[in-house]
Amino acid sequence: IAGITQAPTSQILAAGRRMTLRCTQDMRHNAMYWYRQDLGLGLRLIHYSNTAGTTGKGEVPDGYSVSRANTDDFPLTLASAVPSQTSVYFCASRPGQGLEQFFGPGTRLTVL
Amino acid sequence: SQQGEEDPQALSIQEGENATMNCSYKTSINNLQWYRQNSGRGLVHLILIRSNEREKHSGRLRVTLDTSKKSSSLLITASRAADTASYFCATELNTDKLIFGTGTRLQVFP
Repeated sequence: IAGITQAPTSQILAAGRRMTLRCTQDMRHNAMYWYRQDLGLGLRLIHYSNTAGTTGKGEVPDGYSVSRANTDDFPLTLASAVPSQTSVYFCASRPGQGLEQFFGPGTRLTVL
Repeated sequence: SQQGEEDPQALSIQEGENATMNCSYKTSINNLQWYRQNSGRGLVHLILIRSNEREKHSGRLRVTLDTSKKSSSLLITASRAADTASYFCATELNTDKLIFGTGTRLQVFP
């Protein structure tokens, strides 16, 4: 079934540890996005990629990095996790600008 | 600051009633999109309305857009318990990004 997968589903992480959240889509969408969702704040964009090989910063990029080596994968890395990065992380993709986004099921991350 | 703000933050209605949610935004947009999120799930796209459109329908959903007031509304008619979810508006500016509001939590009681 075509769509977006995220891994892991949930994770508890000690502060200071490095963590990579994985996101894969099989719809051959050009654009991919990482959001975090916190209660009362809606979804905030962390990083995005308009096409393979390019990335850009969103609203809250500090403490996160991304790469887009190919069309399908868009991993999000926390180099040294901090408790304020406790959140639900969603990956999304879409064919291009001006179109709807398709969301993954999310990763619930707790940093202690 | 948020580009899109939904109103109300929470809404409780009985099955069969209509539910109306509003979204206000601050700057000119290319399009506005509505998404639904069931508890613990990812967002699902409902409707996209472009800046030159005033109204769109999809099943029991009706979306309006008033660019002069920088506002949009989502109407769900004849609501069902299964419509219980959070609803988000998202605005697309002259960029490659969507900016999401904080959402309206809708509870539909059987």
